[in-house]
Amino acid sequence: DAGVIQSPRHEVTEMGQEVTLRCKPISGHNSLFWYRQTMMRGLELLIYFNNNVPIDDSGMPEDRFSAKMPNASFSTLKIQPSEPRDSAVYFCASSTRTSGDTGELFFGEGSRLTVL
Amino acid sequence: GEDVEQSLFLSVREGDSSVINCTYTDSSSTYLYWYKQEPGAGLQLLTYIFSNMDMKQDQRLTVLLNKKDKHLSLRIADTQTGDSAIYFCAESRSHGGFKTIFGAGTRLFVKA
Repeated sequence: DAGVIQSPRHEVTEMGQEVTLRCKPISGHNSLFWYRQTMMRGLELLIYFNNNVPIDDSGMPEDRFSAKMPNASFSTLKIQPSEPRDSAVYFCASSTRTSGDTGELFFGEGSRLTVL
Repeated sequence: GEDVEQSLFLSVREGDSSVINCTYTDSSSTYLYWYKQEPGAGLQLLTYIFSNMDMKQDQRLTVLLNKKDKHLSLRIADTQTGDSAIYFCAESRSHGGFKTIFGAGTRLFVKA
């Protein structure tokens, strides 16, 4: 079975450009999470969705960041305009959240973003 | 505070035991987790413990939970070079749905 699929794996862009990161969760999972990993701040939760609805976006750093989940099999994280301090590895993870479930998160391989 | 806290580095010799410690914040967390991240990869669940348990053993792994002190530890017996990785402590917080909050990760170095 396919795991969580993220694209692109690597992106190098210039400051001010728009960046779109994509995620396909595991089929049947009803929760999707976007995390950002940096050496300085560790693994930060940016936003999560339940049944395609954003539940908590308190971790989104600024209005430059936005995330959508138009259907159960696709989500995007967009940064516009990008800045050098946005350079990080962005992870998408999915999970089932039903009663009695352990809530294990399944992570994609990440999208490494470098903003010059 | 809001953070899940853990030490950033641990170095052990091959064959020794490793103990990674963590403090969490939400006393109502139902599950507490240890995830492992190898270089260039995403995180993978290593083990978890239900909040009404004090200890869980799984082969070389032992998880201890002290709910009073909100302290979680992971012991790896007979540590191998293949155990070198970053280990993340995590808690599941109820907030509308359930969100999983991670510590900063402990980087384990295993010396041959």
